[in-house]
Amino acid sequence: GQSLEQPSEVTAVEGAIVQINCTYQTSGFYGLSWYQQHDGGAPTFLSYNALDGLEETGRFSSFLSRSDSYGYLLLQELQMKDSASYFCAGTDSWGKLQFGAGTQVVVTP
Amino acid sequence: DVKVTQSSRYLVKRTGEKVFLECVQDMDHENMFWYRQDPGLGLRLIYFSYDVKMKEKGDIPEGYSVSREKKERFSLILESASTNQTSMYLCASSSRDRQETQYFGPGTRLLVL
Repeated sequence: GQSLEQPSEVTAVEGAIVQINCTYQTSGFYGLSWYQQHDGGAPTFLSYNALDGLEETGRFSSFLSRSDSYGYLLLQELQMKDSASYFCAGTDSWGKLQFGAGTQVVVTP
Repeated sequence: DVKVTQSSRYLVKRTGEKVFLECVQDMDHENMFWYRQDPGLGLRLIYFSYDVKMKEKGDIPEGYSVSREKKERFSLILESASTNQTSMYLCASSSRDRQETQYFGPGTRLLVL
């Protein structure tokens, strides 16, 4: 199985940059996914890293280092609508996800 | 757009009742999953299925069972509901080609009294 650790909460102002770290201990690790969940909403897929390095999708980027068992999600040019919970999830070769406990991002004006 | 629907948004049941939660996806996905979400614990996998009539236990299967008679439908069954099963239940689906991307339903908030 896998276990993933991420901070419980991060607070930042609009326009700032936030980095959410995720460390994992795994067996059968295949890649790292990130999901966003607004209060009362369903989790939605943000990004996936199968290989080491940086993946960029608009204002969001995700990074993976397999040698360090570490990844992060970078949120740039923070907007109020980015206030949400963000989950890292380890993927195995069958597509099964093991989620971290989630990081609540609070964006203040 | 992928759509995953769940039969109820809110449900209130009594201890000992049998509870059925239904999930339907319209994108012909092979894989379907049931999670429960509790504060501070993230999403925990209860059961999953990679094909019709096929099921595998997740991390917390105790007290639950599932049924997948048709590809688009995955049901979660609480045989005898208990108060510790009060939670948010989320269904998800994914395709075999892009297994890292799961599409979630809106969730069912279940309260067991």
